[in-house]
Amino acid sequence: DAKTTQPPSMDCAEGRAANLPCNHSTISGNEYVYWYRQIHSQGPQYIIHGLKNNETNEMASLIITEDRKSSTLILPHATLRDTAVYYCIVRGRYNNNDMRFGAGTRLTVKP
Amino acid sequence: EAGVAQSPRYKIIEKRQSVAFWCNPISGHATLYWYQQILGQGPKLLIQFQNNGVVDDSQLPKDRFSAERLKGVDSTLKIQPAKLEDSAVYLCASSSIRGQRSGNTIYFGEGSWLTVV
Repeated sequence: DAKTTQPPSMDCAEGRAANLPCNHSTISGNEYVYWYRQIHSQGPQYIIHGLKNNETNEMASLIITEDRKSSTLILPHATLRDTAVYYCIVRGRYNNNDMRFGAGTRLTVKP
Repeated sequence: EAGVAQSPRYKIIEKRQSVAFWCNPISGHATLYWYQQILGQGPKLLIQFQNNGVVDDSQLPKDRFSAERLKGVDSTLKIQPAKLEDSAVYLCASSSIRGQRSGNTIYFGEGSWLTVV
């Protein structure tokens, strides 16, 4: 079973920041938080991951709370092409476990 | 760097027929995964390989599904006989060896869409 809770859907205006929340209250010390997205008819695409520090790459920023029980994925300037289902996943660091997906958040970016 | 390759992209078969999907992972990736994604749901793991050995196949319906990775590179997933409820996208994914400090990110292919009629 997925170890995360996400809202089923969110809207965002084009050009604005999209902030996608995720709760993972049972996360353990050696588990990472991963974010993927899936655009219609494509496979899931890796976005970013982190352990306890905030992370940023060319796609997004990941903010993890100090207690690590929740995180937020930030798309700084959302475009129409960011419309997708976003999955937040927790996964062990060294045990080579698979990714256990929940239902994710369907983000719709509107003009 | 080439991504995970899958074929065929689309397949329509009648129930009780058989079908096979092929996957070529990212070069050098020792771990290979097959996921099933039913419309409106997140992907669900069917089987995980480490090189040519099975790590986890607990969610694979073994009465009709089989998978192999004989030389530790390419893999095939077979369904025989197919049922209507097997209509789904079959996703192949791969990752590098475990133990990396930054975790071992999984990369997915585009998927093979199966419709059973």
